[in-house]
Amino acid sequence: NAGVTQTPKFQVLKTGQSMTLQCAQDMNHEYMSWYRQDPGMGLRLIHYSVGAGITDQGEVPNGYNVSRSTTEDFPLRLLSAAPSQTSVYFCASSQWPALEKLFFGSGTQLSVL
Amino acid sequence: AQSVSQHNHHVILSEAASLELGCNYSYGGTVNLFWYVQYPGQHLQLLLKYFSGDPLVKGIKGFEAEFIKSKFSFNLRKPSVQWSDTAEYFCAVRDSNDYKLSFGAGTTVTVRA
Repeated sequence: NAGVTQTPKFQVLKTGQSMTLQCAQDMNHEYMSWYRQDPGMGLRLIHYSVGAGITDQGEVPNGYNVSRSTTEDFPLRLLSAAPSQTSVYFCASSQWPALEKLFFGSGTQLSVL
Repeated sequence: AQSVSQHNHHVILSEAASLELGCNYSYGGTVNLFWYVQYPGQHLQLLLKYFSGDPLVKGIKGFEAEFIKSKFSFNLRKPSVQWSDTAEYFCAVRDSNDYKLSFGAGTTVTVRA
């Protein structure tokens, strides 16, 4: 099993550019989520989904969009990148509704200049 | 949203020393509690969890944590650390009726050989 796969691993953007971070899982997990990790602030939830067609906002959703057209994929879109979005982004999935264990991807390090 | 506080930002220990990391949360209802660990260059992974039952839970690699409901705490302990325990440790809390997992800011643990 590949688990949770995130691409790309690194990305540099200019302010105002848009891009999509990809996340795919092969464990048939209903629950998927996106976090950003910033020094001293831990992981903060951006958006999450409890199944195809169902998404909801987390703590820090502004500037990000998500969609969930399939169980496997949960892309995160940055609409107009800002320097404040420089961060490490993690995708995670879990069985639902138990949410007993999150499986994390390897992360995407994003720099916005 | 839940508030999760980890008291120590960076802990430096020698091998064989005992470790205790503090975690407190704000929610007064029924919660699920977790400790996740991120070893250098690796994915975040679950160390241990508490859902119900015995408030003293044991996890992987000799770690344990105690849930004290009256103190809203879920502290992580290990009696004798090893160099390989060098990592970042995150406490996480979930309202059992919600799908959002809130993380603390993390504690970096450095174990000196």
